[in-house]
Amino acid sequence: QSALTQPPSASGSPGQSVTIYCTGTSSDVGGYNYVSWYQHHPGKAPKLMIYEVSKRPSGVPDRFSGSKSGNTASLTVSGLQAEDEADYYCSSYAGGNMGVFGGGTKLTVL
Amino acid sequence: QLQLQESGPGLVKPSETLSLTCTVSGGSININNYHWGWIRQPPGKGLEWIGSIFYSGSAYYNPSFRSRVTIFVDTSKNQFSLKLSSVTAADTAVYYCARLTMVAVPDYWGQGTLVTVSS
Repeated sequence: QSALTQPPSASGSPGQSVTIYCTGTSSDVGGYNYVSWYQHHPGKAPKLMIYEVSKRPSGVPDRFSGSKSGNTASLTVSGLQAEDEADYYCSSYAGGNMGVFGGGTKLTVL
Repeated sequence: QLQLQESGPGLVKPSETLSLTCTVSGGSININNYHWGWIRQPPGKGLEWIGSIFYSGSAYYNPSFRSRVTIFVDTSKNQFSLKLSSVTAADTAVYYCARLTMVAVPDYWGQGTLVTVSS
């Protein structure tokens, strides 16, 4: 069970859009439409932002969107705001009641 | 509102067993369609899946931990627990408990607890 691959960092100016990619394999990202994204501010509990590739839990702004193509999923944050600065993790179902996470991407709002 | 809270020692000696408990409030642990899991984050690193358990007691472990980890549930106390044996400094991490959907999506998380392995 190898971690999903994410870029260590991403950045954008307020109001811009930024996309974070998450690459797995056919055994996880490519094999299931169960990719999730989490926002993590240090010292706090991670917050679910996207599930089942592109669905948003209640309360998550529609500035956050997700998609998937093959073994790669992506999270796009549009209209960047200062409070979006955080670490973002992807995860995928990997079968057998198990999941796998990405290494995390630090999003900086310039 | 469902809440989860981790508890346990913040310092464990090398070669000993790390033990943590997650107390669930605002909802019952005895529910179908969800299971309960442990996830950790070593300092400066990403999130790592440890394992999970259903209220029935069926547990599933990350193969990376399988020989050292045990997760068990106490439905009478609405709690589930983690034991990780033979710890080393590499097991130093913030440990989170979480509720998981049937496709292993953690939708509710505890605040996390830092466990340091040091003599």
